Amino acid sequence: SYELTQSPSVSVSPGQTARITCFGDELPKQYAYWYQQKPGQAPVLVIYKDSERPSGIPERFSGSSSGTTVTLTISGVQAEDEADYYCQSADNSGTYEVLFGGGTKLTVL
Amino acid sequence: QVQVVQTGAEVKKPGASVKVSCKTSGYTFTHYGISWVRQAPGQGLEWVGWTNPSNGKINYAQKLQGRVTVTTDTSTSTAYMELRNLRSDDTAVYYCARSYGDPFYYFDYWGQGTLVTVSS
Repeated sequence: SYELTQSPSVSVSPGQTARITCFGDELPKQYAYWYQQKPGQAPVLVIYKDSERPSGIPERFSGSSSGTTVTLTISGVQAEDEADYYCQSADNSGTYEVLFGGGTKLTVL
Repeated sequence: QVQVVQTGAEVKKPGASVKVSCKTSGYTFTHYGISWVRQAPGQGLEWVGWTNPSNGKINYAQKLQGRVTVTTDTSTSTAYMELRNLRSDDTAVYYCARSYGDPFYYFDYWGQGTLVTVSS
């Protein structure tokens, strides 16, 4: 069955750029979305339709897509960005099932 | 402003059923879908199901088909998720989320989550 694959963890120092990637065979045909989740809190949408940023999300968050890979980039990482990040897309086979990646833990050193 | 408020924690025995509610406000309920997503302790996000309150369309995760039912009450802008024949691996925080799009959607506003614990 179709899956979305993320690296388990990424570590960066404050002020550096963090790149979190998500791989999936259907990503060229479907949009990807990104959510930030801090401990004990509900997820928050940070990127939709591959690269659009919802209102209220800082400009340092951006998204891009290339083939079977989508990337969430956080420029000038701040301590408050430490969180789990999940990509989301959908099964294009006709079931329309929603898929989440396994999540990436971003650690700010 | 958009608000999504869920009912409190539940403790159930294996084999029982649970029904979680999700009251929304701040937008026109029938203009957006409602999805349910769960998260087992220390684990990632797992989609449970979705409904379009304007036309009653429903879609469920295949692994939960037959045990889950998602309904809405448009008069109170409230959504419900019932899970039957509970097992220990159903223990999770269950989130409801406003969903934008049909048949492909994403989740722009989330409830605070409801912890469902299944234990004998």
